[in-house]
Amino acid sequence: DQQVKQNSPSLSVQEGRISILNCDYTNSMFDYFLWYKKYPAEGPTFLISISSIKDKNEDGRFTVFLNKSAKHLSLHIVPSQPGDSAVYFCAASALNTGNQFYFGTGTSLTVIP
Amino acid sequence: NAGVTQTPKFRVLKTGQSMTLLCAQDMNHEYMYWYRQDPGMGLRLIHYSVGEGTTAKGEVPDGYNVSRLKKQNFLLGLESAAPSQTSVYFCASSLGQFPVETQYFGPGTRLLVL
Repeated sequence: DQQVKQNSPSLSVQEGRISILNCDYTNSMFDYFLWYKKYPAEGPTFLISISSIKDKNEDGRFTVFLNKSAKHLSLHIVPSQPGDSAVYFCAASALNTGNQFYFGTGTSLTVIP
Repeated sequence: NAGVTQTPKFRVLKTGQSMTLLCAQDMNHEYMYWYRQDPGMGLRLIHYSVGEGTTAKGEVPDGYNVSRLKKQNFLLGLESAAPSQTSVYFCASSLGQFPVETQYFGPGTRLLVL
């Protein structure tokens, strides 16, 4: 039973344009969310996070938006660069699950030069 | 600083064989985790440890055992491998629990069980 879902397996975007990656969750107890980026043959690396007390967090070209009522978060990358081509995972955690994260299935982003 | 390392990188097993995957971290992290990643599924937590000498079950623990005899090492064992355990295994570590700490991942171990 997938508690965190990424319904788009892949996304292609032109260089310089905005990339929007979406993530939905079912557990209303989740209160901390992260995005990880993964290149082939490497482990995931942390990208950006957001706590449920916020609805937006920004770090350079990356912004994460959280809509708690819709149980939805999104990652915006502006402007997109070819080096952003990777698989992006969202993950969620709840206070009562300790530091256990639930991961989505990932979205493969391709930025076309 | 090597971060999180995993040994081996790739392994082929026959059904019924056993093996141990080794994870090592040099960041003095308390928490360590083992995940598996399968096509069409997110990373799923197998077991984790909140400190030396402790282990706990995650989401998909069946068929696996773990040990954390030293703070820097977290071992994942398969006593009798099954084809369903064909997967990519990732180890991760984090500093602590609260506030929620970012997990640092190793490069993964690709396991094929025939």
